Amino acid sequence: DAGVIQSPRHEVTEMGQEVTLRCKPISGHNSLFWYRQTMMRGLELLIYFNNNVPIDDSGMPEDRFSAKMPNASFSTLKIQPSEPRDSAVYFCASSPDPAGELFFGEGSRLTVL
Amino acid sequence: SQQGEEDPQALSIQEGENATMNCSYKTSINNLQWYRQNSGRGLVHLILIRSNEREKHSGRLRVTLDTSKKSSSLLITASRAADTASYFCATGVYGGATNKLIFGTGTLLAVQP
Repeated sequence: DAGVIQSPRHEVTEMGQEVTLRCKPISGHNSLFWYRQTMMRGLELLIYFNNNVPIDDSGMPEDRFSAKMPNASFSTLKIQPSEPRDSAVYFCASSPDPAGELFFGEGSRLTVL
Repeated sequence: SQQGEEDPQALSIQEGENATMNCSYKTSINNLQWYRQNSGRGLVHLILIRSNEREKHSGRLRVTLDTSKKSSSLLITASRAADTASYFCATGVYGGATNKLIFGTGTLLAVQP
């Protein structure tokens, strides 16, 4: 079975550029989560979707960040404009049960110069 | 914001020894989960314990939960070099508009062959 698929795995960009991270959840999972991991702040929940609807985006750091889930098999996290402090590993996770275990992708490592 | 604090931050043991990691949290929870992360990889779910459970086993893993002390422990018995990874506890709070799985700071476990 294919797990959660994230792309790109690595991205290096310059400050001010737009970054789009992509996620394909496991088929049949109706909950999707975006997390960010840094050494300083650990794993932070950015946003949570249930049945393609954003339920809780209180973790999104600022207006430069936006996330969409146009259908059950695809989600994007966009940063515009990017800043060096956005450098982190961004994880997407999906779950068949919002109160159950999460299945994580391998992450997208973002470096903003 | 992080809900869980893990102790110790780092642990080094010899193969065959047992490893114990502790997690403390601040608010009432519905469940507590433990995850493992190998370097450069995504998180992998290990075990979930519900708030009305006190102990759970899975293979070489034993998890305890004490809701009165707001703490949990993960015991890995007969450790192997392949157990070397970071281990995270995550507290699940669900209900109403809230649906969050918040990760702790993690314990870095090194198992020496």
